[in-house]
Amino acid sequence: DGGITQSPKYLFRKEGQNVTLSCEQNLNHDAMYWYRQDPGQGLRLIYYSQIVNDFQKGDIAEGYSVSREKKESFPLTVTSAQKNPTAFYLCASRPPGQVYGYTFGSGTRLTVV
Amino acid sequence: KQEVTQIPAALSVPEGENLVLNCSFTDSAIYNLQWFRQDPGKGLTSLLLIQSSQREQTSGRLNASLDKSSGRSTLYIAASQPGDSATYLCAVMRGGATNKLIFGTGTLLAVQP
Repeated sequence: DGGITQSPKYLFRKEGQNVTLSCEQNLNHDAMYWYRQDPGQGLRLIYYSQIVNDFQKGDIAEGYSVSREKKESFPLTVTSAQKNPTAFYLCASRPPGQVYGYTFGSGTRLTVV
Repeated sequence: KQEVTQIPAALSVPEGENLVLNCSFTDSAIYNLQWFRQDPGKGLTSLLLIQSSQREQTSGRLNASLDKSSGRSTLYIAASQPGDSATYLCAVMRGGATNKLIFGTGTLLAVQP
C-alpha cells in the first residue's frame, strides 16, 4: 500500500544533541512538507520541498535542517540550536499538479530529556 | 499575514447531537479551505475540501461551508457518534507556486455515548 512512513514514533533527545527524523513516501509525490505541532497551536510549517535537491524554509525553520537527495525521502534534523524541540512532528506529501490530496504520516513525538 | 482561528477549542456533546465547528481566517484571498481530522497521536486525514469558488461540500454526515467575504467556514456534523471523537483542524491554502497550508488551532471534540 502507498503511504508515508515516519520513524521513529517516539524519540528522546538529550540537550545539545542533533537528532534526525525520517520521512519516506512511496506515492511518487514531488512535494513534501515538515510540520511541527504544539498543544493549542495547530501545525506550523518548518521546511518544504517541491522537487529533489531543492527545499525552502517555512515559518519556523530556525534550528532545523533538511535534505532532499531522493524523491522518496525528506529527513528532518533537529539541531542543538533549536531551543524548544519537544513537539509532535508531522511529515506530509502532495501529488504533482494538485492543490489537494495531501497525505500525512503518523508523526514522531520528540522529547528532550 | 494569514491567521486561522478555530472556536471552540474543545467541545463535549452527547451522542446523536448535531454540532457545528467554526473556523475563521483573516485574509480572504484563499485558494481553498480544507477540514482535517486527527486522532490522538496520529497524522491527519482529509475530510472535505472547498474551493474558493464553492460555497459548501458534503460527505456523508459532514457538511462544510465557506464564506470568503466574511472569512468564515463551518463544519457541520449530523447525528454525532462516539467514533467522531477527535481533533478537527481547518487549513487554508493561498494560491501560488508553493501551495502551502496554514492551519487553525483545532477543535477537540468528545462525543459521549
